[in-house]
Amino acid sequence: EAQVTQNPRYLITVTGKKLTVTCSQNMNHEYMSWYRQDPGLGLRQIYYSMNVEVTDKGDVPEGYKVSRKEKRNFPLILESPSPNQTSLYFCASSFPGDNSPLHFGNGTRLTVT
Amino acid sequence: GQNIDQPTEMTATEGAIVQINCTYQTSGFNGLFWYQQHAGEAPTFLSYNVLDGLEEKGRFSSFLSRSKGYSYLLLKELQMKDSASYLCALRTGGSYIPTFGRGTSLIVHP
Repeated sequence: EAQVTQNPRYLITVTGKKLTVTCSQNMNHEYMSWYRQDPGLGLRQIYYSMNVEVTDKGDVPEGYKVSRKEKRNFPLILESPSPNQTSLYFCASSFPGDNSPLHFGNGTRLTVT
Repeated sequence: GQNIDQPTEMTATEGAIVQINCTYQTSGFNGLFWYQQHAGEAPTFLSYNVLDGLEEKGRFSSFLSRSKGYSYLLLKELQMKDSASYLCALRTGGSYIPTFGRGTSLIVHP
């Protein structure tokens, strides 16, 4: 089944404790992206990647890191999480075609205390 | 950059028709998407417009006017399960990763 898999679905952590949210897609998509979604602010792009070893900052990259060592994986790393990073996170992927829609993972709800 | 504007919330009656508008300002327009998102779930793709005009897909239709920076999503024969957020998203320039508006929360009541 074609899908984008994020883990974990839920995560509660404390300020400053490094964490990684994994994202993997099995559709051979070139493009992958991370979004955070907060009430009243909608989906905001954190980082995106147009292919292996190519990553770029989105609109809200501060406090986050990503890597794209393999085509299928695009982990999101929070080196020192803070409470303002409490949010719902989505990973998404797509082909490079103009009309190719994003396929989203099921989301990761992160709480930083 | 781009600026995308949608109403925050709309309500409608089961069986009725509702139009959700999206206006935008951008350079290098490359396509506009509509997604549906139920509470706590991932967004799912509804429609894509790159040329002016109406695209119809069952009960859902999407319209685009590039000269006016305007799109709408039309939902007919509303059902309770259509209660969700509807997200307008722009693809611009050389990036294939779209930028999203804040979404419109649609509440369908009996």
